[in-house]
Amino acid sequence: DAKTTQPNSMESNEEEPVHLPCNHSTISGTDYIHWYRQLPSQGPEYVIHGLTSNVNNRMASLAIAEDRKSSTLILHRATLRDAAVYYCILRDRTNYGGATNKLIFGTGTLLAVQP
Amino acid sequence: GAGVSQTPSNKVTEKGKYVELRCDPISGHTALYWYRQSLGQGPEFLIYFQGTGAADDSGLPNDRFFAVRPEGSVSTLKIQRTERGDSAVYLCASSPSGGGYNSPLHFGNGTRLTVT
Repeated sequence: DAKTTQPNSMESNEEEPVHLPCNHSTISGTDYIHWYRQLPSQGPEYVIHGLTSNVNNRMASLAIAEDRKSSTLILHRATLRDAAVYYCILRDRTNYGGATNKLIFGTGTLLAVQP
Repeated sequence: GAGVSQTPSNKVTEKGKYVELRCDPISGHTALYWYRQSLGQGPEFLIYFQGTGAADDSGLPNDRFFAVRPEGSVSTLKIQRTERGDSAVYLCASSPSGGGYNSPLHFGNGTRLTVT
């Protein structure tokens, strides 16, 4: 089961910043937080991932709360091409708590961008 | 460079038939994943290969589903006696070796399977 909680949908205006929230209250100390997005009729696309510190790359920024129970994906200036489903993901763990290679997707946040 | 390639992009088959779905990962990527995505849902894990071996097949729904990767590159997902409930988009992803558990996955655009 997905270990993250995201709003079903959000709306933004073009050229404005977008903050996509994610709750992951059961995160363990060594879990990275991963974000992927999926444009219509395409496979998911990696956006960013981080552990504790805030992370930046050419696509987005990831702000991670100090207690790591929540994070926010920030798109600094939304464009129409950013309209997609955004997934906040933790890797699955074994019954003994070990990390696995499975990314467990939830239903994500559908971002609509208005011109 | 070339990304993950999946063929065919669309497949329509009749209930009870056998299908094969192909995935060509990015060259040099040793990890390969299959996911399945139903309408309105996020991708659901099926199986993970490291090299030629299936390291984790816990997501395969039943024994009608089988996947191989005989030379550690191309993978084929095989579905026997297809059922209408198998209709979904089947996604393949690959990632490089040595990156550990947090290497980004590179997904293909999937094969849309429709069972009539």
